[in-house]
Amino acid sequence: EVHLLESGGGLVQPGGSLRLSCVASGFTFNTYAMTWIRQAPGKGLEWVSAISGSGSNTYYADSVKGRFTVSRDNSQNTLFLQMDSLRAEDTAIYYCARIFVESDTDYRCFDFWGQGALVTVSS
Amino acid sequence: AIQMTQSPSSLSASVGDRVTITCRASLGIRNDLGWYQQKPGKAPKLLIYAASSLQSGVPSRFSGSASGTDFTLTINGLQPEDFATYYCLQDYTYPWTFGQGTKVEIK
Repeated sequence: EVHLLESGGGLVQPGGSLRLSCVASGFTFNTYAMTWIRQAPGKGLEWVSAISGSGSNTYYADSVKGRFTVSRDNSQNTLFLQMDSLRAEDTAIYYCARIFVESDTDYRCFDFWGQGALVTVSS
Repeated sequence: AIQMTQSPSSLSASVGDRVTITCRASLGIRNDLGWYQQKPGKAPKLLIYAASSLQSGVPSRFSGSASGTDFTLTINGLQPEDFATYYCLQDYTYPWTFGQGTKVEIK
């Protein structure tokens, strides 16, 4: 059974840093790209970042580019999101999700999600 | 960035109704579009990918279709457990973008 578990959320002051982790189980982690999505309180979903299975390719939303860094440790089945220079508008629940790619069409989807980790940026 | 304009933002419907939700992409995105359902306090759940492919385990009352840059999620015979917020997502090109969401409420 596929399972994703985020951790590392909490309260941080503006300008501070936080690192989220997402531990994966139930599948061969290094064969799947992974992604982070966030949701501010009472708001919609916002895609944040993605990383290839090997970790060699990374992608970011404009709102976090230069401040957030996605990485992974395939030996530990763990995805990370390093968040620096945090702002009040980064306050959100952060979800990690697995990216499934259909082999014959290359169409993608986020087929499994974690339960989310709350990040609050406030003084 | 490609903008996804989702409508309506909310709707009221009764059990058994047919419900349609639309997303319009600002540029062509092939069929690189998924639909996700989110219930309060829960993580989103994949319903449809590649515009019209039903995810395994999702009831057949959910369907997706595409016409150019317009994408539609249809629920045929709304069930009590379908009252939730629905989002489209384009993953054709980075940055990937979600629609604003449609909240389906009980009439």
